[in-house]
Amino acid sequence: DTAVSQTPKYLVTQMGNDKSIKCEQNLGHDTMYWYKQDSKKFLKIMFSYNNKELIINETVPNRFSPKSPDKAHLNLHINSLELGDSAVYFCASSQGTGLAGRSYNEQFFGPGTRLTVL
Amino acid sequence: AQKVTQAQTEISVVEKEDVTLDCVYETRDTTYYLFWYKQPPSGELVFLIRRNSFDEQNEISGRYSWNFQKSTSSFNFTITASQVVDSAVYFCALSDRGETGANNLFFGTGTRLTVIP
Repeated sequence: DTAVSQTPKYLVTQMGNDKSIKCEQNLGHDTMYWYKQDSKKFLKIMFSYNNKELIINETVPNRFSPKSPDKAHLNLHINSLELGDSAVYFCASSQGTGLAGRSYNEQFFGPGTRLTVL
Repeated sequence: AQKVTQAQTEISVVEKEDVTLDCVYETRDTTYYLFWYKQPPSGELVFLIRRNSFDEQNEISGRYSWNFQKSTSSFNFTITASQVVDSAVYFCALSDRGETGANNLFFGTGTRLTVIP
């Protein structure tokens, strides 16, 4: 019954490794997002996907790449992990993109994935 | 530039007191949306309310109420008769058209509310 789910909930890994975080939503929404929450609780958007098309790509390193196999999934791949990547990563989804990919509807968030890079 | 400011970093109140969380925003767009989210100690983000820039009516939902004032670019959140379960970090957020036409959601830095029993 979970609307937006993420796996894993916790991820501990060594610097330099490559890892993925999975996200799935069963709300039928057409836009999905990835956010990063740092140690000071600051939330910043990383990516969003609408109908399998990237519509936001903030200034994140290209080591981060979103992959959307279908409308219900948006996975986050991270290559060559660095210490500064340690954070909580949230997936979210919303419905209704309006014109030019603009979505003003509320975003529903997954439970978050706490990534720790050692 | 779009910006959301939550000047109160931390607030502590005694149970049953009323508390107001402040939110001030900046945007050059005439069409935008404002949101409040709650992040309890368990870590998930819970949507509370959405308000569009054309609707300045205040809203009440149980013990929660929101005061949107375009003249002061503020969207404040009041909890009446606070309870321990209200202890959380509360985020105010702004969504506008963005300079490139893409949608952006900007979060404030959050206010940590502690309700003391």
